[in-house]
Amino acid sequence: EPEVTQTPSHQVTQMGQEVILRCVPISNHLYFYWYRQILGQKVEFLVSFYNNEISEKSEIFDDQFSVERPDGSNFTLKIRSTKLEDSAMYFCASRGHLEAFFGQGTRLTVV
Amino acid sequence: QQQVKQSPQSLIVQKGGISIINCAYENTAFDYFPWYQQFPGKGPALLIAIRPDVSEKKEGRFTISFNKSAKQFSLHIMDSQPGDSATYFCAGNSGNTPLVFGKGTRLSVIA
Repeated sequence: EPEVTQTPSHQVTQMGQEVILRCVPISNHLYFYWYRQILGQKVEFLVSFYNNEISEKSEIFDDQFSVERPDGSNFTLKIRSTKLEDSAMYFCASRGHLEAFFGQGTRLTVV
Repeated sequence: QQQVKQSPQSLIVQKGGISIINCAYENTAFDYFPWYQQFPGKGPALLIAIRPDVSEKKEGRFTISFNKSAKQFSLHIMDSQPGDSATYFCAGNSGNTPLVFGKGTRLSVIA
């Protein structure tokens, strides 16, 4: 069964450092998303990406965040200068028609 | 994004019992309502979804009931099992907009 793959599964970084979270969406899907989940809390939308551009973003997705689809398969989320409050699980999702499928997440810990 | 309100926050059910989780949405443009199941340290997994043209959808032990006039929908888990213990999220969206999630319900099924 096709699945969304995320790497790394866990990333520890120092405050102020840049991190890149990587995702391989399901191959024939056209819509890609990043969500964030702070421990024990709800899943929060960050950004959606369609046709090689951002289609929608939340107020959380400020200038320190960027997304890219550098090739036909990978979809990345970059956080330029990490803050302690960026510590969370980051989930990538992809969607074909209706159903959105999520990856297993990257646990980002900023110290 | 408008809210999706989910209750209860946590739920304890005896094995074999019925688990019921409720959600209410605000955005009348929403036309797709999925439920996701999340185990600790994992990504949300699509469980079952409904569109507002039907009032009920059943898949195995899982049933969604949908009340369009009340803008409410609920998940019923029949014959609940310890393996169903997880966090459940309802969500809603319209067209290509991102999913808006409820805050989640932590279900514990005890023997």
